[in-house]
Amino acid sequence: QKEVEQNSGPLSVPEGAIASLNCTYSDRVSQSFFWYRQYSGKSPELIMSIYSNGDKEDGRFTAQLNKASQYVSLLIRDSQPSDSATYLCAVKSSSASKIIFGSGTRLSIRP
Amino acid sequence: NAGVMQNPRHLVRRRGQEARLRCSPMKGHSHVYWYRQLPEEGLKFMVYLQKENIIDESGMPKERFSAEFPKEGPSILRIQQVVRGDSAAYFCASAGTSGSYQETQYFGPGTRLLVL
Repeated sequence: QKEVEQNSGPLSVPEGAIASLNCTYSDRVSQSFFWYRQYSGKSPELIMSIYSNGDKEDGRFTAQLNKASQYVSLLIRDSQPSDSATYLCAVKSSSASKIIFGSGTRLSIRP
Repeated sequence: NAGVMQNPRHLVRRRGQEARLRCSPMKGHSHVYWYRQLPEEGLKFMVYLQKENIIDESGMPKERFSAEFPKEGPSILRIQQVVRGDSAAYFCASAGTSGSYQETQYFGPGTRLLVL
């Protein structure tokens, strides 16, 4: 079982709709959860971080965390073509210094 | 507003040569992480360093790879006797307050290594 799992996609969403990206993790003591966006040929860019159960909103982005289910998601409202990228879920355990990344979900917003 | 800097951005080496990748963390950051990304794959942790110390090298291949972060100067990821399978993008990330669960890592632009 991978430590951080994501559906590789591609996930195709019409412009203006809500894009929903999901991630599960295996380490129950994980404390920190991150979503990074990566455009093709570029470096990862931090979109959201979340540390406690529930929702965290920032503009068009909402991160949701459910530690009991070991599940974290990212919702993108009013999707724009510029949101087309690969979204990486990352998890940090309290017992380790490193961040473990999922393999990413490729999101495509169709006009 | 200097972010994380990496150089070179692109590096071409022939099999058997050495590759040296450099990373300068953001101002005020003293923690450096190296990741490798193969085409169409996620980021794989390689090593975590603080100034003059290797903290976690659990992701480093046992042979040919080494990393350092001297008291002065950038962090260096060194790959000896490169092979074609080393071709990848190598990203460096820096953080300022490792140990905090709220630590955020900021990524540099990466070095694309191509081994011919």
